[in-house]
Amino acid sequence: ETGVTQSPTHLIKTRGQQVTLRCSSQSGHNTVSWYQQALGQGPQFIFQYYREEENGRGNFPPRFSGLQFPNYSSELNVNALELDDSALYLCASSYRQGDYGYTFGSGTRLTVV
Amino acid sequence: QKEVEQNSGPLSVPEGAIASLNCTYSDRGSQSFFWYRQYSGKSPELIMFIYSNGDKEDGRFTAQLNKASQYVSLLIRDSQPSDSATYLCAAPRPNTGNQFYFGTGTSLTVIP
Repeated sequence: ETGVTQSPTHLIKTRGQQVTLRCSSQSGHNTVSWYQQALGQGPQFIFQYYREEENGRGNFPPRFSGLQFPNYSSELNVNALELDDSALYLCASSYRQGDYGYTFGSGTRLTVV
Repeated sequence: QKEVEQNSGPLSVPEGAIASLNCTYSDRGSQSFFWYRQYSGKSPELIMFIYSNGDKEDGRFTAQLNKASQYVSLLIRDSQPSDSATYLCAAPRPNTGNQFYFGTGTSLTVIP
């Protein structure tokens, strides 16, 4: 059984650019959730995808968007990057009906300069 | 008031002592609570979860829930240097089972 994998591990972008982060969910998991974790803070919920549909969204602007593919992998896209978007982006997979916690990927560290 | 609040610490305990980590939450309708451990530079990993009032034990870890006081705690017995990490408390957003509010985390250092 493979775990959750994220790519890339590190990324440096310039303010105003666009970025795409990728996540492969754990085998058998049909739900992917994305979180942003700024330095010294707890993770903040961005959105969740279940069977290719957005299934909940946190307090993030529309320039944060996502996709989920038939194999349940997912992408997070951020347009018009701002300095405050610098953070660790975490992907987590789970079963839709399960509420016993996540398996997180190792994260993507995004730095916006 | 934040949905989930934790003392950021840092908390230092000697090796072998009991570490006590605390969390309060604002939504009285919250039914489940989760504790994650996050080592520096790593992603969070689930330690345990609790649904019912009272205590839940798993090895050296005990989660305690008091719904009347809206209070959750994590006790780590016989603390080890390898327990040094940030501990995150989480509760589901309303009407969801697995979309979470996280606290800011409490940094724990276990001194050998």
